[in-house]
Amino acid sequence: DVKVTQSSRYLVKRTGEKVFLECVQDMDHENMFWYRQDPGLGLRLIYFSYDVKMKEKGDIPEGYSVSREKKERFSLILESASTNQTSMYLCASSLATGGGGGYTFGSGTRLTVV
Amino acid sequence: GENVEQHPSTLSVQEGDSAVIKCTYSDSASNYFPWYKQELGKRPQLIIDIRSNVGEKKDQRIAVTLNKTAKHFSLHITETQPEDSAVYFCAASRNQGGKLIFGQGTELSVKP
Repeated sequence: DVKVTQSSRYLVKRTGEKVFLECVQDMDHENMFWYRQDPGLGLRLIYFSYDVKMKEKGDIPEGYSVSREKKERFSLILESASTNQTSMYLCASSLATGGGGGYTFGSGTRLTVV
Repeated sequence: GENVEQHPSTLSVQEGDSAVIKCTYSDSASNYFPWYKQELGKRPQLIIDIRSNVGEKKDQRIAVTLNKTAKHFSLHITETQPEDSAVYFCAASRNQGGKLIFGQGTELSVKP
């Protein structure tokens, strides 16, 4: 089974802090994605990566950055956390573009910014 | 930009009834349409998907239909059971495995 592991299940941070959310997958997937999930808004794409050191903006990249130094790890960075970034953050991976299978999601990180 | 609209936002049915969730997409280049089920407190799980060269796909009690001309696709669940209660998300992508644009989600409640 593919596993996508997010480092924290729950996180509480203060406004202005720099926050790192880590995601690791163990099945050599090419593609990795970061979404945030808010009630009534579904899953909105923040950033994604189709290769090591490659990143592309999704629909809501403002206030976020990402890092993919190794194939298995995709980090989401909140440069200066704000209360409107309180949300559930979901990481996902997929084998490759055009490849078989869909996304495998991590368990999510519920971030609260106070 | 690319957009996926999903309706209804909530759906309540009696056990044994059918449930239908509908989605429309804006990107005419989309050709892969998965559906995910998210139970309370758990991660989304892929339940069925369809490619644009297929009009309908079935897997036991669930089926998905696609109308590419209308840019519309639907999830059908027959003989619903309480364990079908969850939030369901539709999504669209240009390529399987590529970035997915998700709908807003439908909270399905199946009453015993």
